[in-house]
Amino acid sequence: DAGITQSPRHKVTETGTPVTLRCHQTENHRYMYWYRQDPGHGLRLIHYSYGVKDTDKGEVSDGYSVSRSKTEDFLLTLESATSSQTSVYFCAIMTAKRTQYFGPGTRLLVL
Amino acid sequence: DQQVKQNSPSLSVQEGRISILNCDYTNSMFDYFLWYKKYPAEGPTFLISISSIKDKNEDGRFTVFLNKSAKHLSLHIVPSQPGDSAVYFCAASAGNYGQNFVFGPGTRLSVLP
Repeated sequence: DAGITQSPRHKVTETGTPVTLRCHQTENHRYMYWYRQDPGHGLRLIHYSYGVKDTDKGEVSDGYSVSRSKTEDFLLTLESATSSQTSVYFCAIMTAKRTQYFGPGTRLLVL
Repeated sequence: DQQVKQNSPSLSVQEGRISILNCDYTNSMFDYFLWYKKYPAEGPTFLISISSIKDKNEDGRFTVFLNKSAKHLSLHIVPSQPGDSAVYFCAASAGNYGQNFVFGPGTRLSVLP
């Protein structure tokens, strides 16, 4: 399972509040990713990281920020949550064999 | 504009028969393709991949075929089992940006006993 955990696994929050999701990996992979999954859209890339303090935007980055201060942790922050950010969020790592492995997901509901 | 398309939202197959899931892509720079399986309330799990230098890759009951000229790939599952019922995602990446994958919208496979 590539040693990926996500926390929290479920979260309910109110519009306008900040929310931080955490991804933790135990195998020192360089690349880490945050995706969101919505019906009809598959998995869409929000942000990714290619090393400590090195991050870049993905397809749907508006309203999200990330930080990576340690190799093992990649944080996703919703600066001011909106109902359109209700989704399931997945963290992933990429191995040297160019394969991504995913965490179990965080289900976020913004009321 | 979706670069990776899975035009069948759902597919039903009888247990023991072949399941064929299809994926089309538009970006000719894609050179590496993967299939993932996803059960409800779990993260996607990697199934099988193929590089653009090959046209077929096989792993047990799963075979992926790549037709570069048609920009089409397919996943064959033989024989299909009820445990194969899941959503299947096709993904693609391009050489210089090989660290970023583009995913299709998924196909829900139901294997009927």
